[in-house]
Amino acid sequence: DAGVTQSPTHLIKTRGQHVTLRCSPISGHKSVSWYQQVLGQGPQFIFQYYEKEERGRGNFPDRFSARQFPNYSSELNVNALLLGDSALYLCASSLDMNTEAFFGQGTRLTVV
Amino acid sequence: GQQVMQIPQYQHVQEGEDFTTYCNSSTTLSNIQWYKQRPGGHPVFLIQLVKSGEVKKQKRLTFQFGEAKKNSSLHITATQTTDVGTYFCAGIRSNDYKLSFGAGTTVTVRA
Repeated sequence: DAGVTQSPTHLIKTRGQHVTLRCSPISGHKSVSWYQQVLGQGPQFIFQYYEKEERGRGNFPDRFSARQFPNYSSELNVNALLLGDSALYLCASSLDMNTEAFFGQGTRLTVV
Repeated sequence: GQQVMQIPQYQHVQEGEDFTTYCNSSTTLSNIQWYKQRPGGHPVFLIQLVKSGEVKKQKRLTFQFGEAKKNSSLHITATQTTDVGTYFCAGIRSNDYKLSFGAGTTVTVRA
């Protein structure tokens, strides 16, 4: 079985642009969460989706949005990019909302 | 909001020695999870603790969950070079499902 897959792996964007990151969970997993990890810190929770509904939101501005599709894949959108949005964006899937999370390799976003 | 604190931030260990990393939450947790992230990699799940006072072992790794379900520890015996990486604890509160990560303990090993 494939693990959690994320695309793209690397991305360079200019300030003010918009970005869409994609995530495919492990087959059978219904929960997808998004995290932002800057160098030297732990992953910071952005969103959790379960059964296509948002079940949790972290302390991120409204420029960040996400959705989960009927096949349980997910997209994270960030508008009006700032330099400070440069980070590793991690997607994690889990069977349920309270169980172990399996992380993808992440998308390395650089905003210049 | 919930804060999960980890100490120490860095741990430099002689190969063969033991060490412990600690995790403390400002709120009671429904469960706590531990992850390991190698340099350049992504977090990999190690274990989940659910019960008050629970102790679980994985070979040379021993995980504990405090009686009050607010703290946890990871003890590694006879450290090996394969133990290099950053160890994160992550807690879930009883009333929501947000997984809050600590800042991690980065382990380096001297051969």
